Formats: sequence, C-alpha cells, structure tokens
Amino acid sequence: EAGVVQSPRYKIIEKKQPVAFWCNPISGHNTLYWYRQNLGQGPELLIRYENEEAVDDSQLPKDRFSAERLKGVDSTLKIQPAELGDSAVYLCASRSGGGRASTGELFFGEGSRLTVL
Amino acid sequence: SQKIEQNSEALNIQEGKTATLTCNYTNYSPAYLQWYRQDPGRGPVFLLLIRENEKEKRKERLKVTFDTTLKQSLFHITASQPADSATYLCALNSGGGADGLTFGKGTHLIIQP
Repeated sequence: EAGVVQSPRYKIIEKKQPVAFWCNPISGHNTLYWYRQNLGQGPELLIRYENEEAVDDSQLPKDRFSAERLKGVDSTLKIQPAELGDSAVYLCASRSGGGRASTGELFFGEGSRLTVL
Repeated sequence: SQKIEQNSEALNIQEGKTATLTCNYTNYSPAYLQWYRQDPGRGPVFLLLIRENEKEKRKERLKVTFDTTLKQSLFHITASQPADSATYLCALNSGGGADGLTFGKGTHLIIQP
C-alpha cells in the first residue's frame, strides 16, 4: 500500500513568488493534516481536514496561505506571496477515521522542503 | 500558556544501554500521548500510543510511561543500537476532540558504538 505522497520534495523560490504543495493521502483516510516544521523544531499544525471540510485552520496565516481538499482526497497548500520566514519543511499527514473517538496514528509524507531566497 | 517540553540537548548513550527520553507538558489534559521517530530528511513515523488511563505500554525494546499527576511521559529504549539514533517526538491531543495533535520539539538521540 502506498503511503502519503507529497510533491515537490524540494522547492527554491525568491521572496514574493507563489508556491504550491500537493499531498495525496493514504487511500480511505478521512483526516488530512498540513504541518510546518522549522529546523530543530517539532511539527506545527497549519490546518486539519475531515473529508473536504477544514475543521481546524486557526494556525493558518490566512493573509498569504490557503489550502483546499477537493472531493475529500488530495490536498493543495499554497503560499502567495512567499516570505523569507516561510522557509521550512511542509509535512502532510493522514489518519483513518476521525471524530472524538479517534486516537489513531498519523501517517506522514516525506515533506516538501521550501527555501525562500 | 500551554507547553510541551522535551530534552533540548542531544542525548548521547552508549550502545547496549537504556536510553530514557522525557516529555513534560503544562496546561494540557491529554486523553492520550504518542511518540514518533524522525530521521533526517524524512517525515515522522509513529511508534507508540499511551492513553491517560494507562501507566505503561511496551513494544519490543520500547517502553512508554504516562504519569498524568506529574504531567510527564518517559520513553525508554532498552539494549540501544546505533540504528536507534534519530529524533524522537512526543505528541499529545490538545483539545478540539481527539484529533488536535500537538508536537514537542523532539530530542535528538545518538547511540554511540
């Protein structure tokens, strides 16, 4: 079974340019997460989806970040315009089930490393 | 404010010894806590989950304890091997139902041969 697939693995852009990251979760996983991880830090949640609904986007900088999960499967995270401080690894994760009874593990992709010059 | 604290310094352990990693938290009341392993350039990989009503959980050479009074979890690797060298992250559910998962900064473990 394929794991969580992310692309691109690496992206280098100049500040003020747009960038987009794509995530394909494990088949059948209803819950999808986008995390940002800075060097030497733990992952920080940006947004969580239950199927196609964003149920927690409180940490997403909405002035420049946007995300979508059409049809409740693949998801795209966009930054426009990018700033120097956006340099980080963007991790996508998925989990089966959902709701208050869910305590399952998260399956992470390999991440997309963004460098903003 | 809410905090999750893990050993900020790298932990150096001699091969064959037991490595013990600490995760302390404040201003959370987690229903469960998870531990993940992360290798350089890779995404985190799930290791163990322990619930608030469980004191201890084991999986092969791994053991996790959870003390809700001390607000602390300990993660042990017995008979450590150089291949165990990695960053270990603790994560706990932070409210918003069972799905809000917050991570600590991680502890970098180095097992020396």
